[in-house]
Amino acid sequence: DAGVIQSPRHEVTEMGQEVTLRCKPISGHNSLFWYRQTMMRGLELLIYFNNNVPIDDSGMPEDRFSAKMPNASFSTLKIQPSEPRDSAVYFCASSRTGTKYNEQFFGPGTRLTVL
Amino acid sequence: GENVEQHPSTLSVQEGDSAVIKCTYSDSASNYFPWYKQELGKRPQLIIDIRSNVGEKKDQRIAVTLNKTAKHFSLHITETQPEDSAVYFCAAPGSSNTGKLIFGQGTTLQVKP
Repeated sequence: DAGVIQSPRHEVTEMGQEVTLRCKPISGHNSLFWYRQTMMRGLELLIYFNNNVPIDDSGMPEDRFSAKMPNASFSTLKIQPSEPRDSAVYFCASSRTGTKYNEQFFGPGTRLTVL
Repeated sequence: GENVEQHPSTLSVQEGDSAVIKCTYSDSASNYFPWYKQELGKRPQLIIDIRSNVGEKKDQRIAVTLNKTAKHFSLHITETQPEDSAVYFCAAPGSSNTGKLIFGQGTTLQVKP
């Protein structure tokens, strides 16, 4: 199994530009999570999906952030327009709810820098 | 509400000493408590977990203890080595059965040679 796949691994963009982060969960997993990690705020849960349905997006910082999961093998996190304070590492994680007590597997992360 | 508190935020030990990290949780229905290790520049990875039907679990130099009455659990690392230096996160399930985990704030462990 390839594990959780994220792309791109690094993204450098200018303020105001649209940024799209992508995630492919582990095959067979039915829950998907987007996290943001910074030195100041640690590991924050932004949004999570269960069976492709958004369950809780209360962690999404503002309307500039949106996430979709059109099918069981793909999700996107979009920031439009991006701002320098969005600079962080964004992790996607997946799990198979109902087995192994919700163990989550993290992807390698996308390091986003907004200039 | 859902809450996981982790202490200390930083911990420095000499190589060979033991390290202990503690977490408390608020939801008494929680039944699964994982610990993740994140090395610099890497992703968080599960190192050990414990379920609510046991009070202690051990894997070589790592052990986790659980006190359900007090709603706290701890990570114990014995005979620490420099490669144990990392950020450690505890977690507990969210109130809904959708796989959500509530993570602690993290502990930066430094093992000095």
